[in-house]
Amino acid sequence: GQNIDQPTEMTATEGAIVQINCTYQTSGFNGLFWYQQHAGEAPTFLSYNVLDGLEEKGRFSSFLSRSKGYSYLLLKELQMKDSASYLCAVREAAGNMLTFGGGTRLMVKP
Amino acid sequence: DVKVTQSSRYLVKRTGEKVFLECVQDMDHENMFWYRQDPGLGLRLIYFSYDVKMKEKGDIPEGYSVSREKKERFSLILESASTNQTSMYLCASSLFQGPGYTFGSGTRLTVV
Repeated sequence: GQNIDQPTEMTATEGAIVQINCTYQTSGFNGLFWYQQHAGEAPTFLSYNVLDGLEEKGRFSSFLSRSKGYSYLLLKELQMKDSASYLCAVREAAGNMLTFGGGTRLMVKP
Repeated sequence: DVKVTQSSRYLVKRTGEKVFLECVQDMDHENMFWYRQDPGLGLRLIYFSYDVKMKEKGDIPEGYSVSREKKERFSLILESASTNQTSMYLCASSLFQGPGYTFGSGTRLTVV
């Protein structure tokens, strides 16, 4: 089985930087994913890490440390439209099934 | 543009009804998944399929069944709907060992 933990809610200010953490305990590991989900909509893919280190994609970056079972999603130059839930998900070693954490609801304030 | 299409955005059904939720993808993906999403519980896997006519139970299969007669279509069946199956249902697809899922827009099911 897998256990994936992330904070339930976070609040940040427009223009600032926010880091959303995710820790996991798994029997197997073949990648960590971050998704963004706006209220009432489907999740959309943000980033994917399979090796240790930082992956940067514009204002969004994701970091992975496999030895620590830890990842974070970094959002820079926050905009109001970044208010959403951010889902951390781990892929098992076999197949392509993802197990999701409970999601972090981010509120961006002016 | 790649697409996963779920047949209904909103659905209201009565307790005891048999309910079919349809999902179609146009990306020739091998893998298809059904999740439900509930506040405080996140996304939980109901069933998945790696190939036509193949199905595997996820974490919460009780009260559900699935059908995959064609590669592009994965159906979720609620044999006898109950109020505790009121939820948002999300279908997703991916390539085998692909970089991630593509989700459908979801079906919000209410069982009364």
